[in-house]
Amino acid sequence: SAVISQKPSRDICQRGTSLTIQCQVDSQVTMMFWYRQQPGQSLTLIATANQGSEATYESGFVIDKFPISRPNLTFSTLTVSNMSPEDSSIYLCSVVGDSVEGYTFGSGTRLTVV
Amino acid sequence: GNSVTQMEGPVTLSEEAFLTINCTYTATGYPSLFWYVQYPGEGLQLLLKATKADDKGSNKGFEATYRKETTSFHLEKGSVQVSDSAVYFCAGGTSYGKLTFGQGTILTVHP
Repeated sequence: SAVISQKPSRDICQRGTSLTIQCQVDSQVTMMFWYRQQPGQSLTLIATANQGSEATYESGFVIDKFPISRPNLTFSTLTVSNMSPEDSSIYLCSVVGDSVEGYTFGSGTRLTVV
Repeated sequence: GNSVTQMEGPVTLSEEAFLTINCTYTATGYPSLFWYVQYPGEGLQLLLKATKADDKGSNKGFEATYRKETTSFHLEKGSVQVSDSAVYFCAGGTSYGKLTFGQGTILTVHP
């Protein structure tokens, strides 16, 4: 399965600022996914990022708040914009390979907004 | 839409006790089912999976069988250890790659 390098691993940010999270995959993958895990909660899918097209956002998430880039088949970024304390969460990227067995997650970015 | 219902926790057990964490999945068709584990301060790790009905996933002494009739995927371990203390997530997914997660179950194992 693919290996994902996600960074930063953690950050403490001031409200009103933005943070960009990067995910680098060691192989080409068609689809990349961004999840959010709020404190004490489960994981919720933010959006699906495909190379060469705009990301597809889940209900409750919008591009202005969480812009995503997918410039090639091995890399994606998620930006958390105009942050507030409610954005404090762990953000994870995930990829799936050629089969449903190939789900892999990055190590996550633990974001604290103060 | 798809949904995963997972046994609520937290679950507290003594070492060597038997563990069951229930999970059921509602979806059109038959998705692949997964158990993920998140140890304190660490990322999400795949524990085991099953891709079709009657498959049994197993790893590190944990087992789960994909029951077609109820789309259930209950996690079991015959003898838990202190090192098994973690949060366990049941999840279901399709070939399109989206995973739907259960709410997570916190397991604490005491010596």
